[in-house]
Amino acid sequence: AQKITQTQPGMFVQEKEAVTLDCTYDTSDQSYGLFWYKQPSSGEMIFLIYQGSYDEQNATEGRYSLNFQKARKSANLVISASQLGDSAMYFCAMGMNYGGSQGNLIFGKGTKLSVKP
Amino acid sequence: ETGVTQTPRHLVMGMTNKKSLKCEQHLGHNAMYWYKQSAKKPLELMFVYNFKEQTENNSVPSRFSPECPNSSHLFLHLHTLQPEDSALYLCASSQEDSPGSYNEQFFGPGTRLTVL
Repeated sequence: AQKITQTQPGMFVQEKEAVTLDCTYDTSDQSYGLFWYKQPSSGEMIFLIYQGSYDEQNATEGRYSLNFQKARKSANLVISASQLGDSAMYFCAMGMNYGGSQGNLIFGKGTKLSVKP
Repeated sequence: ETGVTQTPRHLVMGMTNKKSLKCEQHLGHNAMYWYKQSAKKPLELMFVYNFKEQTENNSVPSRFSPECPNSSHLFLHLHTLQPEDSALYLCASSQEDSPGSYNEQFFGPGTRLTVL
């Protein structure tokens, strides 16, 4: 069965330091996509970064990078130079072709990141 | 309006009430989704509409009834809900392309539902 596991319920990081949020996934599919979303206290889910299963290079988007290790089935999010506004819940998700719809996402339970000044 | 909008933002209802949640996307996408987010549980996909046709229904109780009149609007009709249905209900949209491509979903701000 497809599954996303985020083992860190909460993380603290000092402002301006880097932090890694862990994500492992389980699937028997060869084609899939991995996503990270940020959810501030306001509730809205904000897309951060995407990695395709066939992409050979790790995805980067500004201060966000995805450390994709396919053999280990991990897709960790690295946030460099943390800012106070990065304090939020972070969700790892996997997109799969299920029931004919490419867009179905399975989410992990999330990691609450707190940035300390 | 831009992005994905949801109304109302907050809703309190009794177990015998009938209410509807509304979602509208202004992104020209062709797929829309309803998710339920309960405390301490992963986001749960409830319904998927692809080109206005419902393609997914993840064993959701019949007291939740979706409606997608066109590719920009999505409703979730609620009746005789239970207190355990209290949660944040998120709507999302995406552009479904050819197999093998995965596009990010854009989420609305959610409706915080409390069932008394």
